[in-house]
Amino acid sequence: QKEVEQNSGPLSVPEGAIASLNCTYSDRVSQSFFWYRQYSGKSPELIMSIYSNGDKEDGRFTAQLNKASQYVSLLIRDSQPSDSATYLCAVQTNQAGTALIFGKGTTLSVSS
Amino acid sequence: KAGVTQTPRYLIKTRGQQVTLSCSPISGHRSVSWYQQTPGQGLQFLFEYFSETQRNKGNFPGRFSGRQFSNSRSEMNVSTLELGDSALYLCASSLDRVGGSPLHFGNGTRLTVT
Repeated sequence: QKEVEQNSGPLSVPEGAIASLNCTYSDRVSQSFFWYRQYSGKSPELIMSIYSNGDKEDGRFTAQLNKASQYVSLLIRDSQPSDSATYLCAVQTNQAGTALIFGKGTTLSVSS
Repeated sequence: KAGVTQTPRYLIKTRGQQVTLSCSPISGHRSVSWYQQTPGQGLQFLFEYFSETQRNKGNFPGRFSGRQFSNSRSEMNVSTLELGDSALYLCASSLDRVGGSPLHFGNGTRLTVT
């Protein structure tokens, strides 16, 4: 059973702090990794993709991938109240089309 | 470029009925997939279509089916609706690029079964 695990939270951080979101996955052949943000009542929105070990930065977001440890993380610097949402980690094996396996999400709350 | 379009946005059906949901992918995207989202189970993969062929299928009963047309538009059908089918149904499209294909989601169809 291929699984993606996330801490459901809620993760609460003050405005301006760094929020750290973590994700582990079980399928070693997974090759592509994504972070989606989902606001309440809305659909998931892609915020980061990462395909190789190491860090990838995009604005205030940094994704980190460690395939040996089967671990993906997302750092949000200078957190804003507008970052309050559920963050979904998703894993793609590329051997089964584009199908994604999602974690159940971590709820982030940024207080002003 | 227009995003993924799903219709209708909301549906209310009665147990035993059937329903058809529609999805138009981003222009140029040939892969379309469907997901079910519920509070308890999260986002679960239903199936994926590419070039009018079902390429991959999740672990759902045969009451859930879909198809893709030559213009890449897709429909999914749920027959003999059950209360547990109440969920947000999300369609996503992708470029199907070698090395990793992010999915882009539509706004979803909220199905309520009474």
